[in-house]
Amino acid sequence: DADVTQTPRNRITKTGKRIMLECSQTKGHDRMYWYRQDPGLGLRLIYYSFDVKDINKGEISDGYSVSRQAQAKFSLSLESAIPNQTALYFCATRDFAGDNEQFFGPGTRLTVL
Amino acid sequence: DAKTTQPNSMESNEEEPVHLPCNHSTISGTDYIHWYRQLPSQGPEYVIHGLTSNVNNRMASLAIAEDRKSSTLILHRATLRDAAVYYCILRDLNNQAGTALIFGKGTTLSVSS
Repeated sequence: DADVTQTPRNRITKTGKRIMLECSQTKGHDRMYWYRQDPGLGLRLIYYSFDVKDINKGEISDGYSVSRQAQAKFSLSLESAIPNQTALYFCATRDFAGDNEQFFGPGTRLTVL
Repeated sequence: DAKTTQPNSMESNEEEPVHLPCNHSTISGTDYIHWYRQLPSQGPEYVIHGLTSNVNNRMASLAIAEDRKSSTLILHRATLRDAAVYYCILRDLNNQAGTALIFGKGTTLSVSS
């Protein structure tokens, strides 16, 4: 089983709809991240969380919100989706100790019509 | 975090070595050099990282210039599976506000049989 899972893997929705993307991890890591990737570009940070009570905005948080329901779960919400939020969304986790690698989920492809 | 500069694309033949360069002339003393790669339709995966000394692992080697202003990721024998976008990223351990990765556009590596 994958260490970092994302649901759904693909989603098509309409402008103005509320959408939630979910991320779960079995690695026991305390740090979790949400990134988005647009075609031909690298990933950009949306939100990150160091633990259940610690949520922080990233580079491009406008139009998004997050919820850390438990150490293992970190959800990203689009309250009112717009077409320029069409992108690939990746969740990642990392152990707090030292300079360790980040582990990424398989991604969610979101299309907003 | 300091910026990195990588070539947009590189080509290689299968079973030949590949040297992927990265310039980071504004690197600070506390910046670690990380390499991630993203295979088609997948999330990024960790390749290797280092601070000052050259590093080797089962996937690749990282050669760091003595002045640390550049580094080279070395794939000793390229395979078709190594075709991916390779990202060179600097992470400052003193920047506890994020610990997120800042991605550029990376180098797209093509491998021919």
